[in-house]
Amino acid sequence: AQSVTQLGSHVSVSEGALVLLRCNYSSSVPPYLFWYVQYPNQGLQLLLKYTSAATLVKGINGFEAEFKKSETSFHLTKPSAHMSDAAEYFCAVSGKDNFNKFYFGSGTKLNVKP
Amino acid sequence: DAGVIQSPRHEVTEMGQEVTLRCKPISGHDYLFWYRQTMMRGLELLIYFNNNVPIDDSGMPEDRFSAKMPNASFSTLKIQPSEPRDSAVYFCASSLHSNSYNEQFFGPGTRLTVL
Repeated sequence: AQSVTQLGSHVSVSEGALVLLRCNYSSSVPPYLFWYVQYPNQGLQLLLKYTSAATLVKGINGFEAEFKKSETSFHLTKPSAHMSDAAEYFCAVSGKDNFNKFYFGSGTKLNVKP
Repeated sequence: DAGVIQSPRHEVTEMGQEVTLRCKPISGHDYLFWYRQTMMRGLELLIYFNNNVPIDDSGMPEDRFSAKMPNASFSTLKIQPSEPRDSAVYFCASSLHSNSYNEQFFGPGTRLTVL
């Protein structure tokens, strides 16, 4: 069975600071991993995805994530936060046994301070 | 493409009333998913369809909930009778089958309030 744990339901950073959002997964098979972003009153948008090609994945808006199998992690980073990055971020996993079914983490709300 | 379309965007109803949420997936997509998002439980998968056929409804909370997909371009999620604890944001998502990962595209959601 697959599951995802996101550490920290709220993260606050200053504008220009590093953003680090943590995601650990549990999967019985090599997973597919995703990060989605949700802006207020909107649906989820895909930021980036890991599909067993490169372990360092670059996404939209300057975000990237690194797949670390030894740590079962897929943390999301951005070198310099922008005010427009304030949103809720969800990590999700699907397994190759059923890649249609996503398991989402509980989400991390990112606050960016001026 | 217009993306996944959901209606209504907001619904306020009274306990005991029937509620119907609607979804139009992205044209050509063959998978459709219904999710529920609450503060307490986060994002939960309720049910998903493949080629209009329900594949997994294990997330449907109880018999008051039902979902249909009469054709490839339309799906409904019905709650009858509704209860205050059903208040949540309901998302519809769709994806296109491939031999690897399937990226899911989400609609804007329907915010349901049951008084």
